Amino acid sequence: QSALTQPPSASGSPGQSVTISCTGTSSDVGAYNYVSWYQQHPGKAPKLIIYEVNKRPSGVPDRFSGSKSGNTASLTVSGLQAEDDADYYCSSYAGSSIHLVFGGGTKLTVL
Amino acid sequence: EVQILESGGGLVQPGGSLRLSCAASGFTFSAYAMSWVRQAPGKGLEWVSTLGGSGGGTFYADSVKGRFTISRDNSKNTLYLQINSLRGEDTAVYYCAKALVGATLHAFDCWGQGTLVTVSS
Repeated sequence: QSALTQPPSASGSPGQSVTISCTGTSSDVGAYNYVSWYQQHPGKAPKLIIYEVNKRPSGVPDRFSGSKSGNTASLTVSGLQAEDDADYYCSSYAGSSIHLVFGGGTKLTVL
Repeated sequence: EVQILESGGGLVQPGGSLRLSCAASGFTFSAYAMSWVRQAPGKGLEWVSTLGGSGGGTFYADSVKGRFTISRDNSKNTLYLQINSLRGEDTAVYYCAKALVGATLHAFDCWGQGTLVTVSS
């Protein structure tokens, strides 16, 4: 059982928007603005797409955006494209004892 | 260009040991925290351990504390993970990841392709 809860699956048609949630607790997501999101294609290494809740690394399209409200963080993918079909994982800093927790992942299918 | 390459994985019996290596290039290795993250077959990501840059701290997940040891040789731009007392649940692809500048362990901006550790008799 993962520390952060994500829906197992999400889907959308090309051009549409989809939002993936990541629910934690007041000890992780709710306590720190250190939520990251990673994209992983089958057989590939994860790729950082959002860090510190809503910041995008250089080279990541602005179709990807992040937000947080209370203990739940969200990743929104706008203008869905075929290459967005992948697994998405959230993570959060969880303090000096547990350090870092991941969500169980969400399989995003572009229909 | 940043490059990260893991090695050292393989098939090991329960109770056995392995040392994973992670060779890095394209950045000032000593200045960055480096981490290991693993992924069991068909499962999600699990943070394992982080070692800070020069003078930085060492951090472990509870699931590996006391069995795994992270270390680095900055003169060789290499990160290591010594894994002892291996269990079936340690079977996973082990990724080496570089921390985003200023992040230590809450964001990893470069990852290797991983090395597979299989624990089985």
